[in-house]
Amino acid sequence: EPEVTQTPSHQVTQMGQEVILRCVPISNHLYFYWYRQILGQKVEFLVSFYNNEISEKSEIFDDQFSVERPDGSNFTLKIRSTKLEDSAMYFCASSEAWGPGDTGELFFGEGSRLTVL
Amino acid sequence: AQSVTQLGSHVSVSEGALVLLRCNYSSSVPPYLFWYVQYPNQGLQLLLKYTSAATLVKGINGFEAEFKKSETSFHLTKPSAHMSDAAEYFCAVSGNSGYSTLTFGKGTMLLVSP
Repeated sequence: EPEVTQTPSHQVTQMGQEVILRCVPISNHLYFYWYRQILGQKVEFLVSFYNNEISEKSEIFDDQFSVERPDGSNFTLKIRSTKLEDSAMYFCASSEAWGPGDTGELFFGEGSRLTVL
Repeated sequence: AQSVTQLGSHVSVSEGALVLLRCNYSSSVPPYLFWYVQYPNQGLQLLLKYTSAATLVKGINGFEAEFKKSETSFHLTKPSAHMSDAAEYFCAVSGNSGYSTLTFGKGTMLLVSP
């Protein structure tokens, strides 16, 4: 069964360092998303991406964050200068289409745990 | 704007007992509602969804949920818990954009004892 894969599963970094989290969405999907969950808190929407541009982003997604689809398969989230409060589980998701139908269902990866020291 | 409240960060049941996980939502537009499950070391998996059709929604693994507009609730139930149901369950709501921007609750960890 097709799945969304994320790497690394866990990354530890020093405050101020740049981090890139990688995701391989399901191959025929066109919409891509990043969510995050700070320990003990809610899963929060960060950004959605379609046709090589951001379609929607939350207040969390500030200038420290960027997303990119550098090739036909990967979808990356970059944090330029990590802060302690960026420590969280980051989930990538993809969907075939946009909207409430079955093709709009989000498929999530297993998450990448980021720890900022 | 939407929000979701899940009552109880942990729910413990015995195997074979009824499972009830509570979810209340707030939405300024007719909502789409979802339950996701996360097993250890796995991603979020869609259990079931409400998208303005039948108010009683059946999902995978014997789970179902009922949309009650008057109570702004979408509680998840299963008549008989199985050990394999132990996982974290997330309720989520989306507005008129459908699936795209999901607002999640904090999650409820379901513990099942023999």
